[in-house]
This record gives sequence, C-alpha cells and structure tokens, in this order.
Amino acid sequence: AQKVTQAQTEISVVEKEDVTLDCVYETRDTTYYLFWYKQPPSGELVFLIRRNSFDEQNEISGRYSWNFQKSTSSFNFTITASQVVDSAVYFCALSVVGYSGYSTLTFGKGTMLLVSP
Amino acid sequence: GAGVSQSPSNKVTEKGKDVELRCDPISGHTALYWYRQSLGQGLEFLIYFQGNSAPDKSGLPSDRFSAERTGGSVSTLTIQRTQQEDSAVYLCASSLEGQGRTDTQYFGPGTRLTVL
Repeated sequence: AQKVTQAQTEISVVEKEDVTLDCVYETRDTTYYLFWYKQPPSGELVFLIRRNSFDEQNEISGRYSWNFQKSTSSFNFTITASQVVDSAVYFCALSVVGYSGYSTLTFGKGTMLLVSP
Repeated sequence: GAGVSQSPSNKVTEKGKDVELRCDPISGHTALYWYRQSLGQGLEFLIYFQGNSAPDKSGLPSDRFSAERTGGSVSTLTIQRTQQEDSAVYLCASSLEGQGRTDTQYFGPGTRLTVL
C-alpha cells in the first residue's frame, strides 16, 4: 500500500520568509510518481509539479523549488521569499500503476501555509 | 481549453434525499476520477473511469454511491438516501490517459455537499 506523510499540519510565516514543506512517502513499487498540488481558499486543487521515481534532479520554478531524495523517501517543497498569495493548503501525492493497470493518487493530509504581510 | 468543471458548486440537501453531482472533464481526456475531501478523512479516491468503463469501484464508500460516464465525457456521481456523513467536498479530476500510465490529473473546483 502507498502512504504519504505531511507531518506539518500548519505553518505560519511572515512575507519574504523562505518556507519548506515536508513530504515523506512509502511505496514498494520501484516506479512511481510524486506530485504537489496547491489548494487556495477557493478550493480548486492546482497542479504544481510531477516527478517520476527515476529522476532525482531537483527542480526550480521561479520562487518554488523541489528536493527529491529517494534515500530518505522525501519530496520536499520550498517557497523562497513567500508572498501572501502563497497562503493555501499544499498537498503532496503519490501515484503508482497498480495491479489493476491504472493509477490513482494517494494524498497526504496537507499542510496549511499562512503567509502574513 | 477549459479546465474541469463541476456542478453544482454547492448543494444543500436533507437527509434521505438523493443528489447528483456532475463533472465535465477537459476535452480529450479519457480518464476521469472522483475523490472526496472531508475534514476527518482527507482526500479519498472514490472511482476511476477509463472511457465509459469503471474498472474499479472499490473506493465507493457504500452501495448508496454510484457513478456513470457517458460518451467518454461527462460523469455523474449519484448519492442515494444521503446521510450526514456524506457531507464533504466532491472533487473530480481528469487526465489524458489512465490505463497503464500516470498522467497528471487536473482537478475541478469541487462540489460542496451539505446534508442536513
């Protein structure tokens, strides 16, 4: 079975601070995908990034960066110079192609990020 | 193109009534997923469609829940005889393909269901 743990339930920072959201996953599959989604107060889950298990390169997109470490089964997300608009719930998710031949997302419980001005 | 759309955005119903939730996936996406988001359970997978077929319905919480998809496009999630524990946000997602692949799922805005 797959499992995703986001140990931080809620994080509060002041604008311009850097913040890292932790994600630890468990799976016995050697091929899997990891995702981060953002859920702002409007409720819609917004896709941020997808990473496959064979690609451990870190990725940077503007103020966002992701650190994937298979050795520790972690896929952490860092926001540099946070802004009020970054306030949202962030979900880490894991996907494998199961015995049934299709994949679904296993989500962590989410981390609520509150950025104050 | 347009993203995933869901209707209604909010639904308040009385216990025991039936409700229908609708999802319109991204055009060209063959895979469609329903999830439920509730405070106590987080985000739970309910059902997956590849085309009009639902290979796995094991995520549906009870036999009061059913779903169908027609024309490889619109899907309807029906909850019969609603109970208060059905109150949640029901999210729909679609991806280009589902079978044998892990394409990115794109989500709709959800339907917030409140059962009084």
